[in-house]
Amino acid sequence: KNQVEQSPQSLIILEGKNCTLQCNYTVSPFSNLRWYKQDTGRGPVSLTIMTFSENTKSNGRYTATLDADTKQSSLHITASQLSDSASYICVVSEGNAGKSTFGDGTTLTVKP
Amino acid sequence: NAGVTQTPKFRVLKTGQSMTLLCAQDMNHEYMYWYRQDPGMGLRLIHYSVGEGTTAKGEVPDGYNVSRLKKQNFLLGLESAAPSQTSVYFCASSYRHRTGNTIYFGEGSWLTVV
Repeated sequence: KNQVEQSPQSLIILEGKNCTLQCNYTVSPFSNLRWYKQDTGRGPVSLTIMTFSENTKSNGRYTATLDADTKQSSLHITASQLSDSASYICVVSEGNAGKSTFGDGTTLTVKP
Repeated sequence: NAGVTQTPKFRVLKTGQSMTLLCAQDMNHEYMYWYRQDPGMGLRLIHYSVGEGTTAKGEVPDGYNVSRLKKQNFLLGLESAAPSQTSVYFCASSYRHRTGNTIYFGEGSWLTVV
């Protein structure tokens, strides 16, 4: 069964600090990996999408990395802001079928 | 640009009642999805559609039915609501599957079954 495991489950950091969220997956064949940000009470919003050939992609203060060999991805947030407080969801899609498997998310709290 | 719109946003049902959630997208996407999200859990796929007139079961389809009569609309129905269906429901859409396609989500519909 395809799985996506995220860690940590929750994280609290101080404003201005950096943090890294992890995503390990067993989805095969691999098509792409996406990171979403979900604010409380809102729908998920896409941050980055990476395909097999991409090993890093940035979106402002968010930088995602992908190691397709070890089936691991990370989302690095630089100079955190209070508005970064949200759930971050890793989603991995299968090749051909297009089916997506969602991780349970990491809840990030940024405190002043 | 509305994107993906869900109605209603909030609803309280009594056990056994029926209701329909409506999802509309204005991006001409071929694929549409319904997910449910329970507290502390990831999104789970209920049903999906790869085109007008087609639907398919996802991970947790029991107790739900769907219809895609028009390309822009995807309806999720609960025929006889149960307390276990208390959840937040998200509709989403995307272009036909190609590597790198983004899935766009609606804002969610909060359903409580008492």
